[in-house]
Amino acid sequence: RKEVEQDPGPFNVPEGATVAFNCTYSNSASQSFFWYRQDCRKEPKLLMSVYSSGNEDGRFTAQLNRASQYISLLIRDSKLSDSATYLCVVPNFGNEKLTFGTGTRLTIIP
Amino acid sequence: DTEVTQTPKHLVMGMTNKKSLKCEQHMGHRAMYWYKQKAKKPPELMFVYSYEKLSINESVPSRFSPECPNSSLLNLHLHALQPEDSALYLCASSQDEGAPYEQYFGPGTRLTVT
Repeated sequence: RKEVEQDPGPFNVPEGATVAFNCTYSNSASQSFFWYRQDCRKEPKLLMSVYSSGNEDGRFTAQLNRASQYISLLIRDSKLSDSATYLCVVPNFGNEKLTFGTGTRLTIIP
Repeated sequence: DTEVTQTPKHLVMGMTNKKSLKCEQHMGHRAMYWYKQKAKKPPELMFVYSYEKLSINESVPSRFSPECPNSSLLNLHLHALQPEDSALYLCASSQDEGAPYEQYFGPGTRLTVT
C-alpha cells in the first residue's frame, strides 16, 4: 500500500456542483493532514489543515476517518476558479518531511 | 500572497554553467526546504535546513549544493547539471522543525538545462 494514495482523476464537474475526493494513508500513527491546491505551473498553496475529525472553511470541508485511514475533501457550489490539482499531504511524525499524494486533478466546466 | 520569494523565476543554463537559486522568507520561520517538481508529479524533497543547519539531505547529487546564510535566506548552488535536472525548483518554509507544521511554498524557479 502506498503511503498516501489519491484518485488522480481527472474529475470534470459542472459549475455549481458538489465534488468530493478521498485520500488514503498507510501510517495509522499520523495525527495531522493537509490539503494543498496547485494551479498549473504554480506552487502548491495550503488550502486546509486537519488536526482532529475535520475542518470547514466556507465551501470547503475536510473530514478525517481514522478507523479507515482516509481524509476527504468536499467542495460545495464549485466555481471555475476551483479548477486545480489537489494534493493530499501527510506530515511524517517527528521530522520535517511531508509525504505527498500524487494529486487529484479537478476541472470545473461552465 | 506568498511570503516566500524566489529568484529568478526562470533560468536557462548550459551543462557547464554555474548558477544559484535564491529563496527568502519573511515569516520568521526556522525551517526551510528545497523541493524539485517534474511535470504532473508531486514535489520531491531535496534538502531541509533547521535553525540554519542542514538536517536532511535526500541523497541529492553533489552538483546541487545548498547554503543557508541566515534564518531568512536559502540558496541552491548549481554546477554541471544534466538535462534531466530541468524542473520547477520550489523553496518552502515552516514555523519549526519536528512538529507537523504547515509548509509555505515560494513561486518556484523554472529551470531548463540545455
